[in-house]
Amino acid sequence: AQSVTQPDIHITVSEGASLELRCNYSYGATPYLFWYVQSPGQGLQLLLKYFSGDTLVQGIKGFEAEFKRSQSSFNLRKPSVHWSDAAEYFCAVGQAAGNKLTFGGGTRVLVKP
Amino acid sequence: AAGVIQSPRHLIKEKRETATLKCYPIPRHDTVYWYQQGPGQDPQFLISFYEKMQSDKGSIPDRFSAQQFSDYHSELNMSSLELGDSALYFCASSTRDRSYEQYFGPGTRLTVT
Repeated sequence: AQSVTQPDIHITVSEGASLELRCNYSYGATPYLFWYVQSPGQGLQLLLKYFSGDTLVQGIKGFEAEFKRSQSSFNLRKPSVHWSDAAEYFCAVGQAAGNKLTFGGGTRVLVKP
Repeated sequence: AAGVIQSPRHLIKEKRETATLKCYPIPRHDTVYWYQQGPGQDPQFLISFYEKMQSDKGSIPDRFSAQQFSDYHSELNMSSLELGDSALYFCASSTRDRSYEQYFGPGTRLTVT
């Protein structure tokens, strides 16, 4: 069974500082990996995805993520955080054949002025 | 661009009542997924449909049922509601050939009192 672990429940970062959110997955085959962002009371917005190819993927809002097969990781990064980046971030893994996504527990990001 | 539409956005029901949530996928998307997100929890997959047939099933209670109609919209029917059913219910849609790329609606917040 596939699973996703986000080790950090909360992260506080100063505006303008860099941000890195960790994600580790467990999946038998080649995973399809995603990062979603959720603002309070809102839906899930897809930030970026990895299926194959270049292991460094670019997403929206200045985010990027790097797939490292050897570490079973898919960490999300942003060089300079804006106050509007305060939200909850979910890493998810999907199956090549489609169907359900399995989410990590989420990381809540707080941005200090 | 058109997004996934869910209705209602908010719903308040009493214990033992029934509720029906509706989901209208992105045009030309033929696959619909339902997820449940409890307070402070990550989204959990409930059920999915492709071409009106159930394609995958997760941790959906027997009190819940769902279906997909010929216009691809889907309804989640919930009976004998319990306090623990209070959650944010997301619908996502995709095309079959890219079923790993799911786009989420804004969610329906169900409160059971």
